[in-house]
Amino acid sequence: DVKVTQSSRYLVKRTGEKVFLECVQDMDHENMFWYRQDPGLGLRLIYFSYDVKMKEKGDIPEGYSVSREKKERFSLILESASTNQTSMYLCASTESEVYPPEQYFGPGTRLTVT
Amino acid sequence: AQSVTQLGSHVSVSEGALVLLRCNYSSSVPPYLFWYVQYPNQGLQLLLKYTSAATLVKGINGFEAEFKKSETSFHLTKPSAHMRDAAEYFCAVSRSNDYKLSFGAGTTVTVRA
Repeated sequence: DVKVTQSSRYLVKRTGEKVFLECVQDMDHENMFWYRQDPGLGLRLIYFSYDVKMKEKGDIPEGYSVSREKKERFSLILESASTNQTSMYLCASTESEVYPPEQYFGPGTRLTVT
Repeated sequence: AQSVTQLGSHVSVSEGALVLLRCNYSSSVPPYLFWYVQYPNQGLQLLLKYTSAATLVKGINGFEAEFKKSETSFHLTKPSAHMRDAAEYFCAVSRSNDYKLSFGAGTTVTVRA
């Protein structure tokens, strides 16, 4: 079975803290994605990576950065957390050269910034 | 740019009744289309996907969707709702040469006993 895991299901952080959200996939997928999910807005793409050390901005990258040092791991970083970053964060992965590109999702991290 | 519109943020159905969730897309080229389901406190799970092989696509848990190019629609249906179908459903689209997905806002389904 394919598996995408996220380091925390629930996280509470204070404004101004640096926050790391970790995602690991065991499917040897080249492409990995970070989304945030907010009620009424669906999923919005923050960043994605199509290879190790490669990244591209998605639709809402402001306030976030990412790191991909190993193929299986994709980290989302909030340099200085703010209350408007309180949200559900979902990681996903998909393999290259396979169409349509089915994305496999992790269980999500619900982040609260106080 | 492509986008997805899901009509109705909430749908309430009786157990055993038809479930119909609407999705319209805008795309300049024939896209790939997906329906995902999210059960409470879980990630997203693929229900079905359109690949141009057939306009009527069957998915898991008794769901199916029909691609209608003339209407730019990909509506999801299930003939008989079950309590376990209570979840949030997302329609998504990708271009044929792209790994990224664009998601609709989601439709929450509640099932009444």
